[in-house]
Amino acid sequence: GENVEQHPSTLSVQEGDSAVIKCTYSDSASNYFPWYKQELGKRPQLIIDIRSNVGEKKDQRIAVTLNKTAKHFSLHITETQPEDSAVYFCAASRGNTPLVFGKGTRLSVIA
Amino acid sequence: GAVVSQHPSWVICKSGTSVKIECRSLDFQATTMFWYRQFPKQSLMLMATSNEGSKATYEQGVEKDKFLINHASLTLSTLTVTSAHPEDSSFYICSAVGGGAMNEQFFGPGTRLTVL
Repeated sequence: GENVEQHPSTLSVQEGDSAVIKCTYSDSASNYFPWYKQELGKRPQLIIDIRSNVGEKKDQRIAVTLNKTAKHFSLHITETQPEDSAVYFCAASRGNTPLVFGKGTRLSVIA
Repeated sequence: GAVVSQHPSWVICKSGTSVKIECRSLDFQATTMFWYRQFPKQSLMLMATSNEGSKATYEQGVEKDKFLINHASLTLSTLTVTSAHPEDSSFYICSAVGGGAMNEQFFGPGTRLTVL
């Protein structure tokens, strides 16, 4: 089955700097790669996703890149703000199979 | 957008009792619903996949007789934690597929279960 590895587990950045979180996956048939932001006690919120027919996607300060050959994808947050502080999860799936989540990255943006 | 509700949002129960959690897709028909469990400071772990009108598929290590899943309609799935014990205390989250693009899952707000 699919296995998703996520790094780093914690990340601290100064406000205004960029943050990068990386994930690798094992199942070459996976074709959907979402990123979620989760605040304490709340549901995961989809912030951006990418499908296997695309190499990069951007939405304002957030971007995701996908390298299918290497089976890794990354989340890039630019101009970080204190409200970006949260736990971020990457995930992978194919078709309507369940999402397999990475272990999460706790991002702290220091003002 | 697609909305998934979950009820209750939190519940405290005594050890040995059963607790039912409901997951509803409010504005779409969910072809599939998933149940996840999340312990503090950990990731979401899939417990089972639920399809309307058929038996749920449980992940390895999840006891199907303890965590009963019923998917009676295209908008409702329930998870019953039977004979709950303190180690079952966790954040239970459901998600549903069918309200958006292919693969896209919509999460419920979660249920915080505390077993005393």
